[in-house]
Amino acid sequence: DIQMTQSPSAVSASVGDRVTITCRASQGISSFLVWYQQKPGKAPKLLIYTASSLQSGVPSRFSGSGSGTDFTLSISNLQPEDLATYYCQQAKSFPITFGQGTRLEI
Amino acid sequence: QLQLQESGPGLVKPSETLSLTCTVSGGSIIRSNCHWAWIRQPPGKGLEWIGNIDYSGSTYYNPSLKSRVTISVDTSQNQFSLRLSFVTAADTAVYFCATYSTSIGWFDPWGQGTLVTVSS
Repeated sequence: DIQMTQSPSAVSASVGDRVTITCRASQGISSFLVWYQQKPGKAPKLLIYTASSLQSGVPSRFSGSGSGTDFTLSISNLQPEDLATYYCQQAKSFPITFGQGTRLEI
Repeated sequence: QLQLQESGPGLVKPSETLSLTCTVSGGSIIRSNCHWAWIRQPPGKGLEWIGNIDYSGSTYYNPSLKSRVTISVDTSQNQFSLRLSFVTAADTAVYFCATYSTSIGWFDPWGQGTLVTVSS
């Protein structure tokens, strides 16, 4: 199985800040990496796919990068509505695996 | 636009079988490059993939749950279902159904999720 490790597990930031979340795969996954945002009590929402492609309707302050084993999700100009937990997911092979999540506190 | 909705009992006794159904609306469940998936999230914890099925009935399961999981599809009802046998308290979670794109590898859209509690 491909293990996905996110860091940090939690981060606190202020409105207007830039935040970077890291996701590391235990083996190379090319660009088969997806990022989700989950707000309390809601289903996860697709943010970024194939490591760096922004899903339609997602604000451009969200961006993703990386390939192979190391990936980042960056959020610039933080807004109060960005309060959420962020998960990465590898789509290279079954079983599909998620990172443990990064809780963003504003 | 596809919409998914989970349904089923919110309380299951230990050692019994958890059964959930996901109803797909806004489009046919018969489509290529698409799987139908179950994912769960224990309270306060992260996401765990349970398994996928395609419209023809081919299944892909998480090895950690494979011995207890059955996912099936009913194309006439535009539904797919999850059965998880011999449940314990560790199976208490919010269960989500979702659409999985085999070409991109994303889960989207998701159902709203349903909490299943395992307790006597």
